[in-house]
Amino acid sequence: SSELTQDPAVSVVLGQTVSITCQGDSLRNYFASWYQQKSGQAPILLMYGKNNRPSGIPDRFSGSTSGDTASLTIIGAQAEDEADYYCGFRDKSRNYRVFGGGTRLTV
Amino acid sequence: QVQLVQSGTEMKMPGASVNVSCKVSGQIFSLYGITWVRQAPGQGLEWIGWISANTAKTNYSPKLRGRVSVNTDRSTSTVHLELRNLISDDTAIYYCARDMGDRIDPWGQGTLVTVSS
Repeated sequence: SSELTQDPAVSVVLGQTVSITCQGDSLRNYFASWYQQKSGQAPILLMYGKNNRPSGIPDRFSGSTSGDTASLTIIGAQAEDEADYYCGFRDKSRNYRVFGGGTRLTV
Repeated sequence: QVQLVQSGTEMKMPGASVNVSCKVSGQIFSLYGITWVRQAPGQGLEWIGWISANTAKTNYSPKLRGRVSVNTDRSTSTVHLELRNLISDDTAIYYCARDMGDRIDPWGQGTLVTVSS
């Protein structure tokens, strides 16, 4: 299956650590990328590959994969991290992209 | 830096077609592909399709195949999305984004398309 499953909502206390997960069989073969979308804004790339952060993304964000589950971890969550988070990957064999349903993070 | 700037808000009647454009600047146009994604009100991200800016090869979501077309104008570094036979469920914000394979970055600002009679 190419589907990706995310928890619809997660909350974290300011300054604490939180992990947002993304589960799907295809993640055994492909790395997920992660996107942050704040209210009323376009998504931005947060993490990609094994654990790569684009320039400008704070190092409190990190990514990992274990088996069929990718995780985005925020160490020391800030108020500005309150947003929707989406995982996604590109299925190279069928050349299309899949997104998870998104997780709304409340800080 | 790379920027993707999209055309403005559209309001269409059911059954009509809509064209959304995405102008790319700050990079060699043919270097990467462009992906289109939409987001219905209050919903998540839905992949629409992809085009190689180099070869113009395309691939589309099975859900929209037959109603959607994407093409490029290399002379203006612009990618065009056409969606035909619009229905109310096509009401969404449409985003273009540079597709680098393992990631999509950056994204355009989004274009609101409203389908209503």
